Amino acid sequence: KAGVTQTPRYLIKTRGQQVTLSCSPISGHRSVSWYQQTPGQGLQFLFEYFSETQRNKGNFPGRFSGRQFSNSRSEMNVSTLELGDSALYLCASSFVKLAGGTGELFFGEGSRLTVL
Amino acid sequence: AQKITQTQPGMFVQEKEAVTLDCTYDTSDQSYGLFWYKQPSSGEMIFLIYQGSYDEQNATEGRYSLNFQKARKSANLVISASQLGDSAMYFCAMRPTGFQKLVFGTGTRLLVSP
Repeated sequence: KAGVTQTPRYLIKTRGQQVTLSCSPISGHRSVSWYQQTPGQGLQFLFEYFSETQRNKGNFPGRFSGRQFSNSRSEMNVSTLELGDSALYLCASSFVKLAGGTGELFFGEGSRLTVL
Repeated sequence: AQKITQTQPGMFVQEKEAVTLDCTYDTSDQSYGLFWYKQPSSGEMIFLIYQGSYDEQNATEGRYSLNFQKARKSANLVISASQLGDSAMYFCAMRPTGFQKLVFGTGTRLLVSP
């Protein structure tokens, strides 16, 4: 069973550019969430999508956006990049249990973004 | 609001020894889940173990066990018989039931020496 796939794994951008990161969840998982990891702020929740709807959003500026497609694949976009956006962006998928238990979240290997 | 505290920035252990990584949490929710993840230098977050707040028994997964003390709001990870491949960052995280948002601690870097 394939795991969570994130592309691209590494990318370099310059300030002011925009970037799109992709995440393919584990087959059958309908929930996809995104996290930003930096040395200074640690791991922070960006947003979560379930059945193409954003259900939860972290405390990030509007430059950070995302979407989810009907096949559960998700993309996140960061516009007008700033130096501080350099980070590892991690995507997690889970099979949401409607009754009982919370279900584990499985992460991809991440997309490492460097903003110059 | 939920908060996870990991007070050990780094831990050192010799191969084959057991090690306990500390985690305390703060929440007003009655129902929540507690997780431990391992992050090697490659960056991937590897799921290790899960404990639900209503689970009466401590969770175990192979060499990993979670020492869950609800009254103390602690969820320590115990790794038995450490291996060199266990060297990595370890994160404790919490998620309220019904939400897919994880709140992470700052992590503990574990170094296993031969």
